[in-house]
Amino acid sequence: SQTIHQWPATLVQPVGSPLSLECTVEGTSNPNLYWYRQAAGRGLQLLFYSIGIDQISSEVPQNLSASRPQDRQFILSSKKLLLSDSGFYLCAWAGGLGAEQFFGPGTRLTVL
Amino acid sequence: GIQVEQSPPDLILQEGANSTLRCNFSDSVNNLQWFHQNPWGQLINLFYIPSGTKQNGRLSATTVATERYSLLYISSSQTTDSGVYFCAVERFPGEETSGSRLTFGEGTQLTVNP
Repeated sequence: SQTIHQWPATLVQPVGSPLSLECTVEGTSNPNLYWYRQAAGRGLQLLFYSIGIDQISSEVPQNLSASRPQDRQFILSSKKLLLSDSGFYLCAWAGGLGAEQFFGPGTRLTVL
Repeated sequence: GIQVEQSPPDLILQEGANSTLRCNFSDSVNNLQWFHQNPWGQLINLFYIPSGTKQNGRLSATTVATERYSLLYISSSQTTDSGVYFCAVERFPGEETSGSRLTFGEGTQLTVNP
């Protein structure tokens, strides 16, 4: 069966520091991968998605970037964090276009 | 882009009560999913239901794609049902290389009291 991992689970970082969040998927190959952010409140916003290695699409302009160095690894990064980057970051995978999406446990980021 | 509206935004129930959550969307969709976000933030898949009716234990869902809405039914609610329920839809952009993208509603916050 497929599993999705994210780490770290929680992170507290000062403003201006770099960021690296990692997501890995097991039990499937060539998945579509996604990064979402959930700010205070409820809505989830899609940040990035990837249909293959080194194929990244950004949904919104922001202080973050994403990379996919391996088939089942998706990384969210920032060179300098802003206060507004605080939130709950969720990684997801799907088997292809229109397939069901499955989410990881998330990383709770607080920028102070 | 496609708009997703969920109602009610908040719902408080006594244990054992039944409830119906609604999701309206503004355009035809290729995929619709219902999720439950537990108090620890985990998004749990409830239903993958672009059309038709499905049931899983005390939960069931119906999507009427032609009328652009979906309903989630919770029967005999339990305190463990508390949390936020999200509806999310996907509309293909028409390009197979674009990947699948879910648009989420704002959720329904459900509280079940003992």
